[in-house]
Amino acid sequence: NAGVMQNPRHLVRRRGQEARLRCSPMKGHSHVYWYRQLPEEGLKFMVYLQKENIIDESGMPKERFSAEFPKEGPSILRIQQVVRGDSAAYFCASSPPGVVNEQYFGPGTRLTVT
Amino acid sequence: SQQGEEDPQALSIQEGENATMNCSYKTSINNLQWYRQNSGRGLVHLILIRSNEREKHSGRLRVTLDTSKKSSSLLITASRAADTASYFCATDSGGSNYKLTFGKGTLLTVNP
Repeated sequence: NAGVMQNPRHLVRRRGQEARLRCSPMKGHSHVYWYRQLPEEGLKFMVYLQKENIIDESGMPKERFSAEFPKEGPSILRIQQVVRGDSAAYFCASSPPGVVNEQYFGPGTRLTVT
Repeated sequence: SQQGEEDPQALSIQEGENATMNCSYKTSINNLQWYRQNSGRGLVHLILIRSNEREKHSGRLRVTLDTSKKSSSLLITASRAADTASYFCATDSGGSNYKLTFGKGTLLTVNP
């Protein structure tokens, strides 16, 4: 059973460009979470999604950030018009139905904005 | 301040020694978990302890939880060089038990 998969592992974008981060949950998992980790910091919750639904996006910046988890395909975290402060590691986690705090994390995408 | 705060921030020990890391939190919790993160990698789940539990073991790991002091400790016995990593505690509370709150972590270095 493959773990949570994220791609790309490393992403470099210039200021003003768009960043698209992908996450495929573990097989059988229907809940996806995105977290951001700034240098020397712990992870910060961003958003919780189920298929075709955003359950809680209270940790998402109000502008430029969006997330989706379509019926088919991976979950996408999209950052428009990136700025240097968006440079961070973005982690996706997934959990089985009904066990939302048992989260399995992917390897992360390290975004660098130049 | 953050819900989970680990201390020390960094710990350096010799192989074979025990390592103890602590985590304090501010509000009532449902569960507390410990994760390990190797440099530049994702998080690996180590152990979960529920708010009504006081101690839990898993291999060389021992976790305690004191809800009256709002604190937890992670003990790694007979440490190995491969245990070198950052260790984070994460709590969930209230109705939003999917929203894990992480501390800044303890960087453990085990010297061979």
